[in-house]
Amino acid sequence: EVQLVESGGGLVQPGGSLRLSCVASGFTFSNNWMHWVRQAPGKGLVWVSRINSDESSTSYAESVKGRFTISRDNAKNTLFLQMNSLRVEDTAVYYCVSNDFWSGPIDYWGQGTLVTVSS
Amino acid sequence: SYELTQPSSVSVSPGQTARITCSGDALPKQYANWYQQRPGQAPVLIIYKDNKRPSGIPERFSGSSSRTTVTLTLSGVQAEDEADYYCQSVDSSGTYVVFGGGTKLTVL
Repeated sequence: EVQLVESGGGLVQPGGSLRLSCVASGFTFSNNWMHWVRQAPGKGLVWVSRINSDESSTSYAESVKGRFTISRDNAKNTLFLQMNSLRVEDTAVYYCVSNDFWSGPIDYWGQGTLVTVSS
Repeated sequence: SYELTQPSSVSVSPGQTARITCSGDALPKQYANWYQQRPGQAPVLIIYKDNKRPSGIPERFSGSSSRTTVTLTLSGVQAEDEADYYCQSVDSSGTYVVFGGGTKLTVL
């Protein structure tokens, strides 16, 4: 059974930092592209960032470029998202997701972790 | 920035057919995928590459494509189909993953 389990969410003040983690199991993590997708309360899905299988290629949405960093540890089947200079508008559920090619369908979704940016 | 446009809401009676459209300039060149999201749950892939159905997805879900518009069709809608539906594709430059704004399907 495929599982993607996110952790690290919580309440943080504007300007603060948070690091999300996602542990994968049930598929060959090191072969897959990994992404973060977020969903603000009551709003739609928004793609945030992606990373290829060997960490040689990353990409970010314009809204987070320069503030967020995606990385992975294939030895530990773990995906990360370092979020700095957080803003109120970054408040959302962050989903860890996977596909076998970056532009392909997203086969696997985690249950999400809530990040709340508020003073 | 590239956008995929969906109607915000669609309503249909049980047993009827619901159609949800998704429009985008790059869709003639890029595949689209569809996801269903029930309240409080993570999205689930229901259609990929415009019209292919993953295993386990009921046959009443189908997809089609015509020029700059892709369409998700639900035939014989059931109460359990009430959910939010999102299309997803990539921009024409092949750089960014993009989601449509989502369509809330209401079963009357």
